[in-house]
Amino acid sequence: ETGVTQTPRHLVMGMTNKKSLKCEQHLGHNAMYWYKQSAKKPLELMFVYNFKEQTENNSVPSRFSPECPNSSHLFLHLHTLQPEDSALYLCASSQDMRQGNQPQHFGDGTRLSIL
Amino acid sequence: AQKVTQAQTEISVVEKEDVTLDCVYETRDTTYYLFWYKQPPSGELVFLIRRNSFDEQNEISGRYSWNFQKSTSSFNFTITASQVVDSAVYFCALSERTSYDKVIFGPGTSLSVIP
Repeated sequence: ETGVTQTPRHLVMGMTNKKSLKCEQHLGHNAMYWYKQSAKKPLELMFVYNFKEQTENNSVPSRFSPECPNSSHLFLHLHTLQPEDSALYLCASSQDMRQGNQPQHFGDGTRLSIL
Repeated sequence: AQKVTQAQTEISVVEKEDVTLDCVYETRDTTYYLFWYKQPPSGELVFLIRRNSFDEQNEISGRYSWNFQKSTSSFNFTITASQVVDSAVYFCALSERTSYDKVIFGPGTSLSVIP
């Protein structure tokens, strides 16, 4: 059983819809991450939060909007997405991102399909 | 240029064969960490091992072993007597002291173990 839970597991939405992805970690970690995994491409880091503060926005389009209300929860709000945004979105957490030796723990991901 | 290179995109082996997954990294930092993760078809990346740049001792864990060589900037992963359950995508990753919030993942190697 994973300590990082992502919902929903699958999401199909139209380009004009607004939806949100949710991530919750039960590990007592202080850093949380959003990654995008497209077919045949490396994992792309999107956002990093450490102690609820955003420390990284890896040139992500504004149609993706993260929210981190506390160290245990992370959201990714989606609006006006494009077909190329279809991918697996992975959430991860680690103890403290300032310590580079901490492994990240991943959720199962949300498979997003844009119609 | 990729900082983490996994030259083998896909590998197929017959069950019980040994297989080595290659990872070559590039960094100017003297302090860094290397990781291997496994991603089974379910989607969740699972942490396997961490190595810091000052520890070149090879490690063995059951059927898994890792060979870290700073001289060649490589951190290779060997599975002995492979099993069908080893079928997954394996990612090598690098965490550099100068940017701990950005773990750099390699493109991954897809391993298929055929019964």
